[in-house]
Amino acid sequence: EAGVVQSPRYKIIEKKQPVAFWCNPISGHNTLYWYRQNLGQGPELLIRYENEEAVDDSQLPKDRFSAERLKGVDSTLKIQPAELGDSAVYLCASSFSQGPQYFGPGTRLLVL
Amino acid sequence: GENVEQHPSTLSVQEGDSAVIKCTYSDSASNYFPWYKQELGKRPQLIIDIRSNVGEKKDQRIAVTLNKTAKHFSLHITETQPEDSAVYFCAAPTGTASKLTFGTGTRLQVTL
Repeated sequence: EAGVVQSPRYKIIEKKQPVAFWCNPISGHNTLYWYRQNLGQGPELLIRYENEEAVDDSQLPKDRFSAERLKGVDSTLKIQPAELGDSAVYLCASSFSQGPQYFGPGTRLLVL
Repeated sequence: GENVEQHPSTLSVQEGDSAVIKCTYSDSASNYFPWYKQELGKRPQLIIDIRSNVGEKKDQRIAVTLNKTAKHFSLHITETQPEDSAVYFCAAPTGTASKLTFGTGTRLQVTL
């Protein structure tokens, strides 16, 4: 069974530039999560989708971050414009309903 | 919301010894407690989880114990091996099992 797929794996951009991350969850998993992991810390939830509906986006900085999950499968997380403090690893995870969450390899973002 | 505290932040043990990592949580309604292992530069990997209707769960050399009255749960690794060296994160949910709050991580080093 294929795991959660994310791309790109690494991204270096200058501040104020836009950036987008893509995630393909495990087949059959209806719940998808975007987390941000800062260096030396645990993952922090940004947004959670159940199918195509964003059911929890309370931690998403909505002035610059946006996300979508069209058709309830793949998802894209966007930052525009990026700031220095956005440098982190962006992790996508998926689960079947409220079952165990499985993480993708993450996208390591560096904002210069 | 949920508050998860994890101790110790670093742990060094000799190969063959046991390692114990402890977490406390604040939300008495929490009912699902996973543990993740994260090697350097890799994704968090689910290694074991427990639901609140049981007090202990074992899987080969790892076990998790849960004390709902005291609101704490622990990860036990026996007969540690060098490949157990990693950062371990506990997590607990706020409300539904889908919304996880992660601990700050424990860096385990197994020395020869």
